[in-house]
Amino acid sequence: AQSVTQLDSHVSVSEGTPVLLRCNYSSSYSPSLFWYVQHPNKGLQLLLKYTSAATLVKGINGFEAEFKKSETSFHLTKPSAHMSDAAEYFCVVTPTDKLIFGTGTRLQVFP
Amino acid sequence: GAGVSQTPSNKVTEKGKYVELRCDPISGHTALYWYRQSLGQGPEFLIYFQGTGAADDSGLPNDRFFAVRPEGSVSTLKIQRTERGDSAVYLCASSLNGGGTETQYFGPGTRLLVL
Repeated sequence: AQSVTQLDSHVSVSEGTPVLLRCNYSSSYSPSLFWYVQHPNKGLQLLLKYTSAATLVKGINGFEAEFKKSETSFHLTKPSAHMSDAAEYFCVVTPTDKLIFGTGTRLQVFP
Repeated sequence: GAGVSQTPSNKVTEKGKYVELRCDPISGHTALYWYRQSLGQGPEFLIYFQGTGAADDSGLPNDRFFAVRPEGSVSTLKIQRTERGDSAVYLCASSLNGGGTETQYFGPGTRLLVL
């Protein structure tokens, strides 16, 4: 069975500092992996996705993630946090069609 | 339409009642998904439609839950004999053709509260 583990339930950073949200996956074959963001009272929005092409994936709003098969990781990073990045972030794996979500990481950004 | 829409945005009902939640996918999208998000959790898959048929309903928790998509567009999630544990945000998503590499576009959700 496929699954994802988000290693931090909460991450706090200061505005302008780097962001790292960690995700490990479990899969018996090469998976498709996604990061979604959920702002308060708004719908889920796709940040980026990995589908077995380039291992470094660039997404919207300056986010990127690197697929590392040897470490079974797909960590999300951003060089410089902005106040508007404060939200809930979900790492997602998909075996076929349905999405399997992690438990989420709440990102707080302090001025 | 411009995006996935869901109605109502909020629904309060009493234990034991029947509720229907509606999803209007992006025009032309053949794949439609329902997920449920409990407080503090990530969304959990309920059911996936390809066209009019349910391709995967393995996430429906029990036979009180049922979903239809009779014309391959709008879908309705139906919950009979609601229980307090059914309280959650019900999310709908659609994608162009289905498949694990496609982006699923999510609606804003219906927040269901069972008293």
